[in-house]
Amino acid sequence: DAGVIQSPRHEVTEMGQEVTLRCKPISGHNSLFWYRQTMMRGLELLIYFNNNVPIDDSGMPEDRFSAKMPNASFSTLKIQPSEPRDSAVYFCASSFAGVSGNSPLHFGNGTRLTVT
Amino acid sequence: QQQVKQSPQSLIVQKGGISIINCAYENTAFDYFPWYQQFPGKGPALLIAIRPDVSEKKEGRFTISFNKSAKQFSLHIMDSQPGDSATYFCAASDSNYQLIWGAGTKLIIKP
Repeated sequence: DAGVIQSPRHEVTEMGQEVTLRCKPISGHNSLFWYRQTMMRGLELLIYFNNNVPIDDSGMPEDRFSAKMPNASFSTLKIQPSEPRDSAVYFCASSFAGVSGNSPLHFGNGTRLTVT
Repeated sequence: QQQVKQSPQSLIVQKGGISIINCAYENTAFDYFPWYQQFPGKGPALLIAIRPDVSEKKEGRFTISFNKSAKQFSLHIMDSQPGDSATYFCAASDSNYQLIWGAGTKLIIKP
């Protein structure tokens, strides 16, 4: 089991540029989550997909953020245009079915985004 | 009411000692309480979890104590080791996908 795979591990970009973060969930998992982690705000849920369908995107900060899951093995989180306040570590996580004792979240190692 | 309050923010414990991290919640609808462990440069990983129908759950050196009436739960790490140095997050859920996270506790175990 390769775990949740995220790329790139680090991304440094200039304000105004487009940023695309990628995620490959664990095979067989049908729930996918994008989280953002900062010192100030901790872990924030950005968007939740179930069976490739976005169920809750209320955590997406603004229209500059968008996420897609074209199939069960791939998801992207895009920021366009990026701003310095978007600097954070972005995590993708997957599970069999939502969050429960029988379905814990499995996190990737994150993408550290720095916007200058 | 959706908050989970975690304390302390940071904790230093001598090797072999007991590390205790506390969390409190308000929403009585929460029915799942996991603890996650995060090492630098890694994502959080589930450590141990409990449901409100039991007051304690133990897995190796890690124990969750749960007090439903006080709406509090805590993580105890017995015989703490330098390898336990990490950030610990408590969380709670009342839905099938939304976890409410504590702010995290940075634990340092001194050799």
